[in-house]
Amino acid sequence: GAVVSQHPSRVICKSGTSVKIECRSLDFQATTMFWYRQFPKQSLMLMATSNEGSKATYEQGVEKDKFLINHASLTLSTLTVTSAHPEDSSFYICSAHRELQETQYFGPGTRLLVL
Amino acid sequence: AQSVTQPDIHITVSEGASLELRCNYSYGATPYLFWYVQSPGQGLQLLLKYFSGDTLVQGIKGFEAEFKRSQSSFNLRKPSVHWSDAAEYFCASGGTSYGKLTFGQGTILTVHP
Repeated sequence: GAVVSQHPSRVICKSGTSVKIECRSLDFQATTMFWYRQFPKQSLMLMATSNEGSKATYEQGVEKDKFLINHASLTLSTLTVTSAHPEDSSFYICSAHRELQETQYFGPGTRLLVL
Repeated sequence: AQSVTQPDIHITVSEGASLELRCNYSYGATPYLFWYVQSPGQGLQLLLKYFSGDTLVQGIKGFEAEFKRSQSSFNLRKPSVHWSDAAEYFCASGGTSYGKLTFGQGTILTVHP
């Protein structure tokens, strides 16, 4: 158990367009999900904490108007990169917090390339 | 604030050799401690975790880790490494009820045949 999926796995878009990434917990409900960004050869950088039914909590330096997060249900959180630019190209990973186990389970990641 | 340090950026071992990856944490209370593994281009897979109790914890794929409060360490070990263990390993700590984690910088493991 504890499977988290992300869609799409890869996406290429033109500069100025918006891209939506979905994160789903497949076999458990998650009140809290997290969105991370990972640059090549670096650790994960927490972008925001996504809370079902309420506004996301963004880390310092992360633009909330650029990275829109919606946690519409206990199994789905979405990250929308608005007006994407080449510097937004990165590997985005989500995780879902399984409360009973006090553990985060990670999705497989989404590779975003903005041309 | 919590912090997690993985002193070794890159470790190379021969297949069949033993492995120890170091992790030190900084936290006032006993943190929740995790080891995750990431293969290239993939998400993170949980290897093991420690919350309380027995300080030696067993995980998947033959890995184990030992919590040592006196050294603020949570080192990951494996007695005999396989080529498929080549990946990046992340130590993480958490201490809040909603699960926010602090990650170390990661250690890249290379396995020579």
